Amino acid sequence: KAGVTQTPRYLIKTRGQQVTLSCSPISGHRSVSWYQQTPGQGLQFLFEYFSETQRNKGNFPGRFSGRQFSNSRSEMNVSTLELGDSALYLCASNLGTGYEQYFGPGTRLTVT
Amino acid sequence: SQQGEEDPQALSIQEGENATMNCSYKTSINNLQWYRQNSGRGLVHLILIRSNEREKHSGRLRVTLDTSKKSSSLLITASRAADTASYFCATIGSSNTGKLIFGQGTTLQVKP
Repeated sequence: KAGVTQTPRYLIKTRGQQVTLSCSPISGHRSVSWYQQTPGQGLQFLFEYFSETQRNKGNFPGRFSGRQFSNSRSEMNVSTLELGDSALYLCASNLGTGYEQYFGPGTRLTVT
Repeated sequence: SQQGEEDPQALSIQEGENATMNCSYKTSINNLQWYRQNSGRGLVHLILIRSNEREKHSGRLRVTLDTSKKSSSLLITASRAADTASYFCATIGSSNTGKLIFGQGTTLQVKP
């Protein structure tokens, strides 16, 4: 079974631009979560989607948004990029609540 | 915000020795999970222990959970150089959603 895939793997953007990251979950997994990892703040939860509905949201500004499609693929968007948005963005999928999550390799975003 | 703390922050041992990492959390949980991350890549799920379990084993891994102290420990026995990585504990709250709250992580170095 193929694992979680994330595209692109690396991205360099300029302040003020916007970016869209994509995540394809493991086949059959309907829950997709996004996390931001930085050296200073560690791993922080962004949001979770289940059956195209946002089920949970972390404490991030409205510039961070996401969506999930009917095939469970998910995208997250960050608008008006700031230097502090530079991070590793990780996507994870799972079968449902209470189960372990399977992480993708991440997208490393650098904002200059 | 992060759930709790991990201790120690860094650990360096010789191959063949055991490694113990501790994790504390703040709120009631449904389950606690341990993940490994190699050098800024995606996270790999190691083991999940539910709130009504006290101990769990998987290969060379042993996890304990003390809900009265809101703490967990991960023991890796007979460590190998390939175990060199960062280890994170993460909790799912009692509301049992897909939101993982991560600890700060322990960086383990196993010297050959």
